[in-house]
Amino acid sequence: EAGVVQSPRYKIIEKKQPVAFWCNPISGHNTLYWYRQNLGQGPELLIRYENEEAVDDSQLPKDRFSAERLKGVDSTLKIQPAELGDSAVYLCASSVGGLGTEAFFGQGTRLTVV
Amino acid sequence: SQKIEQNSEALNIQEGKTATLTCNYTNYSPAYLQWYRQDPGRGPVFLLLIRENEKEKRKERLKVTFDTTLKQSLFHITASQPADSATYLCAFRGSGYSTLTFGKGTMLLVSP
Repeated sequence: EAGVVQSPRYKIIEKKQPVAFWCNPISGHNTLYWYRQNLGQGPELLIRYENEEAVDDSQLPKDRFSAERLKGVDSTLKIQPAELGDSAVYLCASSVGGLGTEAFFGQGTRLTVV
Repeated sequence: SQKIEQNSEALNIQEGKTATLTCNYTNYSPAYLQWYRQDPGRGPVFLLLIRENEKEKRKERLKVTFDTTLKQSLFHITASQPADSATYLCAFRGSGYSTLTFGKGTMLLVSP
C-alpha cells in the first residue's frame, strides 16, 4: 500500500515568489495534517482537516498561507508571497481517525527561500 | 500553552545496552502521548501510543511509561542496535486541546 505522497521533494524559490506543495494521503484516511518542521525542532501543526473541513487552522499564518482539500482527498498548501523565514520542511500526514490515532507522514518538501 | 520538553543533547550508548529517552510536559494533562522515530530526510514514523490511564505499553524491544504525577514519559529501547540510531520525538494532546504538540526530539546514537 502506498504511503503519504508529497511533491515536490525539494523547492528553491526567491523571496516574494509563490510556492505550492501537494499531498496525497493514504486511501481511506479522512484526517489530513500539514506540519512545518524547522531544523532541530519538532513538527508544528499548521492545519488539520477532517474530510474537506479545516477543523484546526489556528497556527496557519493566514496572511500568506492557504490550504485546501478538495473532495476530502488530496490537499495543497500554498505560500504567497514567500519570506526567508518560511524555509523549512513541510510535512503532510494522514490518519484514519482524529488526533487519537497514529499519523502517517510523507517524506516532506524541503523549501529554501533565497 | 502546552509545553513539551525532550533532552536536546544527543544520547550515545553502546550496542546491546538499554536506551532511555525522556519527555516532560507542563500545563495540563495529556489525554495521550505518542512516540515517533525520525531518520534524516524522512518524515516521522509512529512507534507507540500510551493513554493517560495506562502506566506502561510495550512493543517488541520498545517500552513506554507514562507518569502523570511526574508529568513525564520514558521511552526505552532494550538491546539497542546501531540501526536504532535516529531522532525520537514525543507528542501529546492535552485534554481539551485539539492540537498535537511535538517535542524537539532527542537524537540517539548507538555505537557498535
